[in-house]
Amino acid sequence: AQTVTQSQPEMSVQEAETVTLSCTYDTSESDYYLFWYKQPPSRQMILVIRQEAYKQQNATENRFSVNFQKAAKSFSLKISDSQLGDAAMYFCAYRGDFGNEKLTFGTGTRLTIIP
Amino acid sequence: KAGVTQTPRYLIKTRGQQVTLSCSPISGHRSVSWYQQTPGQGLQFLFEYFSETQRNKGNFPGRFSGRQFSNSRSEMNVSTLELGDSALYLCASSVPTSANTGELFFGEGSRLTVL
Repeated sequence: AQTVTQSQPEMSVQEAETVTLSCTYDTSESDYYLFWYKQPPSRQMILVIRQEAYKQQNATENRFSVNFQKAAKSFSLKISDSQLGDAAMYFCAYRGDFGNEKLTFGTGTRLTIIP
Repeated sequence: KAGVTQTPRYLIKTRGQQVTLSCSPISGHRSVSWYQQTPGQGLQFLFEYFSETQRNKGNFPGRFSGRQFSNSRSEMNVSTLELGDSALYLCASSVPTSANTGELFFGEGSRLTVL
């Protein structure tokens, strides 16, 4: 069974600074997806960024980027130029290949932005 | 395009009662998944439906059940409610094809309180 571990229950960062959230996972599959989801206090889970395991290039979405280390089974999220609206719970999630829609989530990291 | 819609948003039940939660996926999405979110256990996968068939099931007792209709709308039912069933129940939809992005789209959730 796949597992996802987020070792940082809480993180804080000054507005406009950079923060990195950590995530490790365990799987025996070779093809899979990794995601970072954000859950603001309003509760709706929103996709931040995705990474396909077969792609060596790290995904980037504006101020959000990942450091994907497949051999180390590590998938960290870097948020640059942090903004107040980035405050939320961040969940790292794993999904197997096509045909398996199940997401396995980490326990989450609560990110606080300090003005 | 309308997002994933869950009803009701909030509900209060007493132990021993049953509850039915509804989820309308994004138009064109044929896969619907359900997750339970609690402070203690985090986000846990309940089950996934595709074309009215349950394809995947999490490790929950038989009191938790679900179904999917021909229009892809889904319901989940919890019978003989226990205090521990108090949680946020999240529904997610996706396009389970080989061309999809792997992303699941989440609703705002149904907050169940069992007294």
